[in-house]
Amino acid sequence: KTQVEQSPQSLVVRQGENCVLQCNYSVTPDNHLRWFKQDTGKGLVSLTVLVDQKDKTSNGRYSATLDKDAKHSTLHITATLLDDTATYICVVGDRGSALGRLHFGAGTQLIVIP
Amino acid sequence: EAAVTQSPRNKVAVTGGKVTLSCNQTNNHNNMYWYRQDTGHGLRLIHYSYGAGSTEKGDIPDGYKASRPSQENFSLILELATPSQTSVYFCASGDPHISNERLFFGHGTKLSVL
Repeated sequence: KTQVEQSPQSLVVRQGENCVLQCNYSVTPDNHLRWFKQDTGKGLVSLTVLVDQKDKTSNGRYSATLDKDAKHSTLHITATLLDDTATYICVVGDRGSALGRLHFGAGTQLIVIP
Repeated sequence: EAAVTQSPRNKVAVTGGKVTLSCNQTNNHNNMYWYRQDTGHGLRLIHYSYGAGSTEKGDIPDGYKASRPSQENFSLILELATPSQTSVYFCASGDPHISNERLFFGHGTKLSVL
């Protein structure tokens, strides 16, 4: 059974618009949650890590929230650029080290059009 | 920036043949990982390593072996390749001494088994 569900599966936005990606999970324990960006044909690049029960992070035009009570996270991308076109992957870790199990979502494919 | 290099980038193999995927990292990280990524699924852990000489089974180790001859190198070996092993394989490295260990991924190896 999939323990990390991402929505939407795919999303098309116009350059300059904002968008929100969702991640719901059932992983227990949920030590931390990570968001990665994966360009087509490339590896995953870390965007942010959320740790606290109710956490918020900001990294330029990317901001993320985590609510461990709801087992829910969001990734907000502000003023999208064409280079934001990629797959965004939500990952939940059950320990502080990656040697604990990392549970990967299937990703949201974001396409930014001019 | 930390670097993880995978080779080859693309590989076509025949059923029953032996395939070796190589990964090199210059980050001096103790931990290394092999994942596979299939369409519509999250990354799944095949094997991982704590350091030179160590290999451990991940979630889907059947049909795969791993080798960690040095801190820098971690190989994934398919002794008898099957079409079900057609996938994109990612290597990653991380430092377990950093809380919420940051992971660095290679660009992936696309393997087709005919």
